[in-house]
Amino acid sequence: GAGVSQTPSNKVTEKGKYVELRCDPISGHTALYWYRQSLGQGPEFLIYFQGTGAADDSGLPNDRFFAVRPEGSVSTLKIQRTERGDSAVYLCASSLRGTYTDEQFFGPGTRLTVL
Amino acid sequence: TQLLEQSPQFLSIQEGENLTVYCNSSSVFSSLQWYRQEPGEGPVLLVTVVTGGEVKKLKRLTFQFGDARKDSSLHITAAQPGDTGLYLCAGERNTGRRALTFGSGTRLQVQP
Repeated sequence: GAGVSQTPSNKVTEKGKYVELRCDPISGHTALYWYRQSLGQGPEFLIYFQGTGAADDSGLPNDRFFAVRPEGSVSTLKIQRTERGDSAVYLCASSLRGTYTDEQFFGPGTRLTVL
Repeated sequence: TQLLEQSPQFLSIQEGENLTVYCNSSSVFSSLQWYRQEPGEGPVLLVTVVTGGEVKKLKRLTFQFGDARKDSSLHITAAQPGDTGLYLCAGERNTGRRALTFGSGTRLQVQP
């Protein structure tokens, strides 16, 4: 079956621009997660959705970052006024119920480069 | 400061050798997971351990969760070139948060 897909796979933008990154979770998965992975590091949690609502957004670094999941399926991570430090691979994951030890399935990521 | 420290950061070995990767923390985790990540891909789950002292085996891979649930190890027997990749440990804390806390990873290269 189809796994988690993310688009675009690569995004190059200029400092100060706005970007949107899209995640299509596995069909039927109620929980969706966004992580950011900088070069040479492990993924860092950004935000977690249970259905349409953000159950935990404590990992968002500042108010330039925002994410939505309006119909409880596809999610969009939005970054305003991008900075060079935002350059990283943005990973999306989904899980069936979002319960304890529920396996998270990761997408291939979107590599964001801010020039 | 990384909540989960992995060591070593890099490991280059010959095919057939054994190796151990460590994941340590000063915090208690309710569960700990090991992932492998290949270039251009997301992490793929290898195993989840939930009980202190638990040992799980997956073919040539042996995973152990420390008694105090603060550390874990991954041992690979007779490594093969196909084992090459980035190994990540990730913990879930008993705080009600579903978010995973990842270590910085161990990059393994197995030479044929």
